[in-house]
This record gives sequence, C-alpha cells and structure tokens, in this order.
Amino acid sequence: AQSVTQLGSHVSVSEGALVLLRCNYSSSVPPYLFWYVQYPNQGLQLLLKYTTGATLVKGINGFEAEFKKSETSFHLTKPSAHMSDAAEYFCAVTKGAAGNKLTFGGGTRVLVKP
Amino acid sequence: DSGVTQTPKHLITATGQRVTLRCSPRSGDLSVYWYQQSLDQGLQFLIQYYNGEERAKGNILERFSAQQFPDLHSELNLSSLELGDSALYFCASSVGPMPEKLFFGSGTQLSVL
Repeated sequence: AQSVTQLGSHVSVSEGALVLLRCNYSSSVPPYLFWYVQYPNQGLQLLLKYTTGATLVKGINGFEAEFKKSETSFHLTKPSAHMSDAAEYFCAVTKGAAGNKLTFGGGTRVLVKP
Repeated sequence: DSGVTQTPKHLITATGQRVTLRCSPRSGDLSVYWYQQSLDQGLQFLIQYYNGEERAKGNILERFSAQQFPDLHSELNLSSLELGDSALYFCASSVGPMPEKLFFGSGTQLSVL
C-alpha cells in the first residue's frame, strides 16, 4: 500500500521568505503525487500534481514541487510567502495510472508572520 | 466555489443515532468520493462511487454505508453513532474514475454527543 509522510505538522514563515513543505512517499509502483491546500472552513483545493514527464511541476499561486525518485520525495516550495498562504497543506499519492485510492499525508499547517 | 455541494453543513446528534449526509457533485462529474477528517486520524478515504457503482473502498466501517443515485448525487449513511465518529466529512468529485483531480465540498461537521 502507498503512504505519505509530511515532515512537520506546523511551519512558521515570515512574509516574503521561502516556503518549504516536505513530503516523502512510499509506493510499490511509480506514483502519481499531489499537493492540496485547505483554507479555513473550506474543502481542499488542488495546488499541483505530478503524473509523468517533467519532474518539476508548477502549480497555482506561485507554488511548485519537484519529484525526486531517488529520494522518494515531492517537496513543495514557494519563493516568497504571502499572508494569504496561511492554510493547511496536504501531500497525497496514488499508485500511478492504476491507482484509484488517493492517500493523504497528515498535513502541514503554515503560519505566515508579517 | 468548487461546485460540489454538501448538506447539511453542521449536524449534532446523540450516540446510537443514524444520520445521512448528502453530496451533489460538480456538473458533469461521474465520480464521488467520501473522506473523513479528524484530528487523530487525519484525512481518511472512505469510499468511491463511479457512475452509480462502487469503485473503491477505504477505511469505511461496517456501520457506514453509501450509495450514488441515478442523478449522480450521493449519500453517506452513518448508523449506531459513537463519540469517535465526530469528524468533518468531505465529499469530492472528479470527471472520470481516477482521482487525478478532485474537487472538494466544504464538508459536513458531525458532532456526536
């Protein structure tokens, strides 16, 4: 079965600083990987996804993530944090094209300090 | 607005009771997924329906059941409720059978007292 580990349940960053959220996965087959964001009192929204092809994936709101097979990682970054980035972020994995179960990590809550 | 509608937004009930949560997917989406979010368990996949048929099953308890109707809306039935069932229940939808891009509703907050 596939699994996802997000390092750090809470991250605090200053406005304008780099945002780095870590995600490591375990999968017996080439995975599809996702990052979702959850704003307060809302459902989750897809930020970006990796399926095949280019390992550096760009998403909405200036976020990007890089798939590194050798490190089984899919870390999420944003060069400059904005107050509106305060939210909870979830990494998720499926078993590639055949995967019909999306497994989420525990989530990382981001606090942005002015 | 994701286009996925969940009702009710809040539900307060007592142990032993039965409740029904309702979800209307985005127009054109054939798949509906149910997730449970709690502080101790995180986001847990419960079940998926695609075009009326059960497609995938996750950590869904036997006390819970779901169905998808011909108009593609879905209902999640929770029975013999326990305190531990208190959680936020999300519905999500996608166009096809694979969860490559899910659109989530705002959830139903269930409190079992």
